[in-house]
Amino acid sequence: EPEVTQTPSHQVTQMGQEVILRCVPISNHLYFYWYRQILGQKVEFLVSFYNNEISEKSEIFDDQFSVERPDGSNFTLKIRSTKLEDSAMYFCASRVQGPNEKLFFGSGTQLSVL
Amino acid sequence: AQSVTQPDIHITVSEGASLELRCNYSYGATPYLFWYVQSPGQGLQLLLKYFSGDTLVQGIKGFEAEFKRSQSSFNLRKPSVHWSDAAEYFCAVGAGNAGNMLTFGGGTRLMVKP
Repeated sequence: EPEVTQTPSHQVTQMGQEVILRCVPISNHLYFYWYRQILGQKVEFLVSFYNNEISEKSEIFDDQFSVERPDGSNFTLKIRSTKLEDSAMYFCASRVQGPNEKLFFGSGTQLSVL
Repeated sequence: AQSVTQPDIHITVSEGASLELRCNYSYGATPYLFWYVQSPGQGLQLLLKYFSGDTLVQGIKGFEAEFKRSQSSFNLRKPSVHWSDAAEYFCAVGAGNAGNMLTFGGGTRLMVKP
């Protein structure tokens, strides 16, 4: 089965630093997403991306966050100035079209902000 | 706003026993409903989904779920649990533009006794 790939699997950063989380969605997919899961809490939607623009975003996705599809294969999440509360597992996901299609999740990047 | 409740944080069953994981949702329209499974160190894998039609849906690994609109429930079942089913299970409802945005429940951790 095709996979969504996320790198790195674990990233440690200092508070206030910028961090970029990388994802390679499945090649023919058109919709891209970021979710996060703070330890012990629910998986939360951050943002969806389609046709090179954000289609929806949650309240969590404030000005400190941005997403980009810099080339035909990568999909990145940037946190400009990390805070302690940004520590979480970040999941990238993609799918071909709308909700009738299966959403594929990556195995996540564990971000630790010190 | 939509929400998902999984009342059971932990469940332990014996191998070979039947399983039912509960999920209740709150959503104003006809929901898109999903069950995902997460094994340690892995991403979220889709078990099954409901969009419309037959309220009993079959998924992978022998799982099924039944949508009951009157009870706002979408419980996951398996007639005979295997040790490899030990994992965390998440129920989710899709909302937003064409179900773009998933709202997850808090998860149920399943342990399987030999």
